[in-house]
Parts: sequence; structure tokens; C-alpha cells
Amino acid sequence: DAKTTQPTSMDCAEGRAANLPCNHSTISGNEYVYWYRQIHSQGPQYIIHGLKNNETNEMASLIITEDRKSSTLILPHATLRDTAVYYCIVREGTNAGKSTFGDGTTLTVKP
Amino acid sequence: DAGVIQSPRHEVTEMGQEVTLRCKPISGHDYLFWYRQTMMRGLELLIYFNNNVPIDDSGMPEDRFSAKMPNASFSTLKIQPSEPRDSAVYFCASSLASSGRRGYTFGSGTRLTVV
Repeated sequence: DAKTTQPTSMDCAEGRAANLPCNHSTISGNEYVYWYRQIHSQGPQYIIHGLKNNETNEMASLIITEDRKSSTLILPHATLRDTAVYYCIVREGTNAGKSTFGDGTTLTVKP
Repeated sequence: DAGVIQSPRHEVTEMGQEVTLRCKPISGHDYLFWYRQTMMRGLELLIYFNNNVPIDDSGMPEDRFSAKMPNASFSTLKIQPSEPRDSAVYFCASSLASSGRRGYTFGSGTRLTVV
């Protein structure tokens, strides 16, 4: 699986959009971008995934650059409950096989 | 669905004792993963199963660790003998390969402390 690079930490004001970047310059054509988050002491939670098109669900939006070498997870109206570690992972698209988690980005939403 | 269920939530044991962690995946899921999380090493994949068969155990630290999946609804991770450096949070996750919702579902974890 391709390696990802994320900032160690970010802050965001409550109610504002949180934009979390991820670099995955070695991504291959059959690899998807997945995002998970882990709220303190809980298990990681799946957020969203995408291949090349932008994706949106009830939790977030995922913007993938045209060359697919980077992506941004957007939480449109961050709340205090969105404070968590956010992990960007790239892997083959089927749910088969393993996912490797890096260090992630610690997002702190401040009032 | 109750999600992925892990037990116990917390385990404190003495060095040298055997520890068994348990996981019940989501019904119908065909993949099961065991991860370990520490401050120093983050989330590490230990082993995963497909249709109850171990596929990749390259992350298992050493022979003291073993995992089994006797049926589709139950898996165990055993440490024998346990050591203080095994102290960590152990997560179990499951997934369905053919699912349109392509992600893992994690349990709440077992916090293991070996003293």
C-alpha cells in the first residue's frame, strides 16, 4: 500500500470548516483513499473513501486532486465532538486485505 | 447490529500469566483484523483472517502471541506468557469484502495492562 503523509496536528474553530490534507504521491491506479478518525480511547471509525472523484456523505467531503497525489478531508461545520485523530490510508479498493495506519493528524476543535 | 464486540474492556494481569482477548465480529462479515495500539508504535496490524482462515500474521510480535478464529462469529487473541511490554489497547475490526460501504468497523478495544 502507498505511504501517506499528514500534518501532525491542526486546530479549527468550532463552526468553521476543517480541511485536513493528505499527501500520497506514490498512489497507484487501483488504490483508493480512505479516511478514518479515532476519538480518544475509542476504536477508529470509518469516515469516507474515494478513488478519483470527489465524494460526500453525511460526515464529510473528500476532495482528491486530479493527479491523485493528494487529497483533503473536509468537515464542513466542525464541532467540539470532531476533536480526534484523523487517519488517511491508501489501499486497494476492495475491502479484502489489510490497511496500514500511520500517525494521523490530531485535529483540535476549539470553541 | 451491535457492532464488533470485544471482551473484556479492561484486563490487568501479572507478568507471566496467560491473557485471552475475545472478539465477536459483525454478523456476515468475512474479514477480521486484530490491531494493537501504543503511544510509541501507533496502530499496528497483528493478524487478519478471511473466512476464518489466517491470511497474514506477519505483524504478530513473537511466538508468545497466537490468534484463532474457530468460526465466523468468534476470534481470540492469546498472549502466553504475558510481559509488561504487551501493555496496549487491542482492537478487533471486521469488514465485508463485497460491501458497498467499504470500511472496517472497529470494536471498542481491550485495554491490557501487564504488571
